[in-house]
Amino acid sequence: TQLLEQSPQFLSIQEGENLTVYCNSSSVFSSLQWYRQEPGEGPVLLVTVVTGGEVKKLKRLTFQFGDARKDSSLHITAAQPGDTGLYLCAGDNYGQNFVFGPGTRLSVLP
Amino acid sequence: GAGVSQSPRYKVAKRGQDVALRCDPISGHVSLFWYQQALGQGPEFLTYFQNEAQLDKSGLPSDRFFAERPEGSVSTLKIQRTQQEDSAVYLCASSKGPPQSTDTQYFGPGTRLTVL
Repeated sequence: TQLLEQSPQFLSIQEGENLTVYCNSSSVFSSLQWYRQEPGEGPVLLVTVVTGGEVKKLKRLTFQFGDARKDSSLHITAAQPGDTGLYLCAGDNYGQNFVFGPGTRLSVLP
Repeated sequence: GAGVSQSPRYKVAKRGQDVALRCDPISGHVSLFWYQQALGQGPEFLTYFQNEAQLDKSGLPSDRFFAERPEGSVSTLKIQRTQQEDSAVYLCASSKGPPQSTDTQYFGPGTRLTVL
């Protein structure tokens, strides 16, 4: 069974701070996705990373896929209250199945 | 709107009752996925369809769970003889291409099921 672990589980920071959340697995994935989920809503895709070592930037968010395609990180610069939410990573096992991590619940205080 | 819709948004059932949860995917999307999300957890895969064909149901937790998509569009997830451990948010997602294509999955808002 493939498992994705995310850390930290909870994170509460002040507006303007930087943060990094992590997604780790012992398995190799063909791609990895990051989602943000707000209360009462479904997850919304932020980015897909495919190539080992790949770095993608989305405004203040920077996503990195590990060289071995087993882990990933999400770095947020100058966090804002609007970044509050549950950040989920999900690994694609070469189209066979799709595995989500338990999420990191981020709270950005004004 | 043009997104994925689910109904009902909230469902309260007494233990032992049967429930049916509906998903309306984005029009024309080939693939449809069902996930179960327990409180404080990430979504867990239940099953997926390519058009009307149910290609993978390995995530269904028991034979009390049944899903169908008879005309390749709307899907229904049915849970028979509900148990308290079935309480969760049930998410539906659809994507344009076949499941193996890794096309973006668009999620609905979910149905929150509470079994008393």
